[in-house]
Amino acid sequence: KQEVTQIPAALSVPEGENLVLNCSFTDSAIYNLQWFRQDPGKGLTSLLLIQSSQREQTSGRLNASLDKSSGRSTLYIAASQPGDSATYLCAVPRQAGTALIFGKGTTLSVSS
Amino acid sequence: EAGVVQSPRYKIIEKKQPVAFWCNPISGHNTLYWYLQNLGQGPELLIRYENEEAVDDSQLPKDRFSAERLKGVDSTLKIQPAELGDSAVYLCASSFNSYNEQFFGPGTRLTVL
Repeated sequence: KQEVTQIPAALSVPEGENLVLNCSFTDSAIYNLQWFRQDPGKGLTSLLLIQSSQREQTSGRLNASLDKSSGRSTLYIAASQPGDSATYLCAVPRQAGTALIFGKGTTLSVSS
Repeated sequence: EAGVVQSPRYKIIEKKQPVAFWCNPISGHNTLYWYLQNLGQGPELLIRYENEEAVDDSQLPKDRFSAERLKGVDSTLKIQPAELGDSAVYLCASSFNSYNEQFFGPGTRLTVL
């Protein structure tokens, strides 16, 4: 049974710091991995989708890496800003073409 | 392009009352998902549709929950009767097909008193 774990559960950093959020999954036979952002009281916004054949994906100040063999993904945020404050969730499909299994998320707070 | 639309955004009801949530997916998206998110947790799947067919409803509590997607476009999720433990956020998501990136709506926050 696939399980997704995210550490840390919460993170506070000053503005301008580079930071890394971690995601691990128990079954390495994943089809893809998706990172989301969730603001309080809002739905999920898709940030990055990494296919199983890819090692990383970049979008602006965000870079996500994937190491299937070790069951890990990281989300790197460069030069953090107060607007980056949110909960970040990673998710993998239960199997190809099925619904996502989510971690509990990392709540990020960036202070100015 | 419009995103996934959900209504209502908030709903407060008393226990044992019925409630319904509506979702309109992104145009052209064949796969539609209903997820349940409890406070401090990641979303969990309730049901997945491929067009109008429910292909994964193993997590749906069928004694009180029902869903439909009659024309393979918008969908309705119903709870009857609601219980206190149903208080949560109900999220709808869609994708072009089940192998593609999923896009989420803003969710409906249900409070059962």
